[in-house]
Amino acid sequence: QVQLVQSGAEVKKPGASVKVSCKASGYTFTSYDINWVRQATGQGLEWMGWMNPNSGNTGYAQKFQGRVTMTRNTSISTAYMELSSLRSEDTAVYYCARNLGYCSSTSCYLIMDVWGKGTTVTVSS
Amino acid sequence: QAVVTQEPSLTVSPGGTVTLTCGSSTGAVTSGHYPYWFQQKPGQAPRTLIYDTSNKHSWTPARFSGSLLGGKAALTLSGAQPEDEAEYYCLLSYSGAPVFGGGTKLTVL
Repeated sequence: QVQLVQSGAEVKKPGASVKVSCKASGYTFTSYDINWVRQATGQGLEWMGWMNPNSGNTGYAQKFQGRVTMTRNTSISTAYMELSSLRSEDTAVYYCARNLGYCSSTSCYLIMDVWGKGTTVTVSS
Repeated sequence: QAVVTQEPSLTVSPGGTVTLTCGSSTGAVTSGHYPYWFQQKPGQAPRTLIYDTSNKHSWTPARFSGSLLGGKAALTLSGAQPEDEAEYYCLLSYSGAPVFGGGTKLTVL
């Protein structure tokens, strides 16, 4: 069945970077975009950006521009989200989700069907 | 960035009907915002219920429906069940980026 399996929890110090992985199985990885969404403890959802695994094209929410990088390794059907210059406010659960729709530089048509279980990132000194 | 607004909390009786709404700080919500609804239970990843205003996924219970109502996106639950108690988030697409609402905590009581 279609699955997205995310990497395990991370604890990082302020100023460090974290790289979260999202391994796809059960479908052709390069056929659908991967989106990333995060959720701080007790807070709402926050869309971070998208990546096209076929082209490598990406789009990021303005809030994360310059700090986030989304990449992929098609040989192992895995997407990555790296967030740098971490601060305590980045403590959150990070989710990847498959998008059956599409995103471009100017719009996103989202049909997110399958989600990973989330990766907890804790930023603490 | 636009702000997407939802009711912070709502309560519905078992078997009852409730409508959750999703507004935009930029004006009326239209089909061009591709309104999207998620359900999230404590400790779980979000689950998508509705996309593009009113389209359902194969797992979306028939008692959920999406629409546009009075300049807002709406999620209507008809015949609430105890298992529908959850947080519900809407998401709207704007040029450049989608934005989530703050969520509605739905209590079935």
